[in-house]
Formats: sequence, structure tokens, C-alpha cells
Amino acid sequence: SQKIEQNSEALNIQEGKTATLTCNYTNYSPAYLQWYRQDPGRGPVFLLLIRENEKEKRKERLKVTFDTTLKQSLFHITASQPADSATYLCALGGDTGGFKTIFGAGTRLFVKA
Amino acid sequence: NAGVTQTPKFRVLKTGQSMTLLCAQDMNHEYMYWYRQDPGMGLRLIHYSVGEGTTAKGEVPDGYNVSRLKKQNFLLGLESAAPSQTSVYFCASSPSTGNYGYTFGSGTRLTVV
Repeated sequence: SQKIEQNSEALNIQEGKTATLTCNYTNYSPAYLQWYRQDPGRGPVFLLLIRENEKEKRKERLKVTFDTTLKQSLFHITASQPADSATYLCALGGDTGGFKTIFGAGTRLFVKA
Repeated sequence: NAGVTQTPKFRVLKTGQSMTLLCAQDMNHEYMYWYRQDPGMGLRLIHYSVGEGTTAKGEVPDGYNVSRLKKQNFLLGLESAAPSQTSVYFCASSPSTGNYGYTFGSGTRLTVV
């Protein structure tokens, strides 16, 4: 069955460092991959989308890579700030037979001042 | 610009009771979705709609029904609530296929006792 894996353990980093979150998937051939941010008690907020033919995408302090051979995406936040503390969700979509997006369980990030 | 609005935000039901969750979007999006989010699990798709008057089953549709009589509204119904339906429910919308990011509502926290 299709499966998305994100590190269930929280990631703790110091302010100013680069946070790197991992998303691995199996039994899926996505046309695109998305990253969302979710704060406690709130709905996910869309951050970035990267397509299967793109290796890397950047937006301000965010960088996403997409390796369809390794079936993996890396999400980087450079110069991290305490305000970046949240849960980050990976989502895949566009596999044959449907356009529905499937979501990982997310990784909690804590940035300490 | 409200985006996606969900009502109610919280609800407690007794087993066997029924209720309807309302989702409204003001972005003229064609596609709308209902997800549930449980601890340690990714968002799971319940039902979705690709346009006014259309609905389709997602990954976990049992025990739920939906209707999309107007483009801007997507209703999720529980006919006979069960404790297993205790969850946080999120509505989302997107312009067309998932090749765009989803806009999520703030969620409805439902407890079935």
C-alpha cells in the first residue's frame, strides 16, 4: 500500500541553525510533493510544491529537494527561528488513477532561542 | 478574505446522534475535501468533490455522507455517530487538481461519547 514516512520523533535545534526534515515514500509515483506547516489547534498551511521534474525549489528561508529515485524529499529551514516551531507535513499527489493528495503524519520541530 | 470556514469548531456527541459539519469557501475553488486527523496518523481523506453537485469517496468514507449543492459549500454528515469517529475534521479546497496547494479550514474537534 502507499505509504509516507516522516520522522515521528521531534526535531530540536538551536536558533540560527538549519533544520532538515525528511519525507520518504513507498509504492507511489507522485507528480508533485507538497509541504505544509501546522500549528497546534490550527489547520495546515501550504508552504511549497515541487513537481517530479524539479530537483529543488526555494522560497525565502525554505528549500525543498525531491529525489524520485530515492523516493525522498528533504525540507530545509535556514537561519531557523523560534517562530518556526511547528509540525511540518509532507504530502504527495498526482499518482496514476487519481489526483487525491495523501499526507504524512508530520514531524514536530522545536527551535530553541 | 475568509478562505475556508468550518463550523462548528467543537462538538460533543453521544453515540448514535447525528450531526452535520459545514464548510464554506470564498475563493471560487472547484475542488473541496474532507479529511480527518488522528494522533500519529496523517490526514486521511473521507470524501471529496470536484465540482458543484459531485461527490466521491476517499480513503475512509464509511459512516459519513457529503453533499455539495452549492459550489462554495461542502457538508459532511454523520448519521449515527460512533466513538471511532472522535477526531479532528478538516475541510480543504483547491482550484483544480492537487497541483496547487490546498487551503484548509481551522478544523472541527469532534468527541463522541
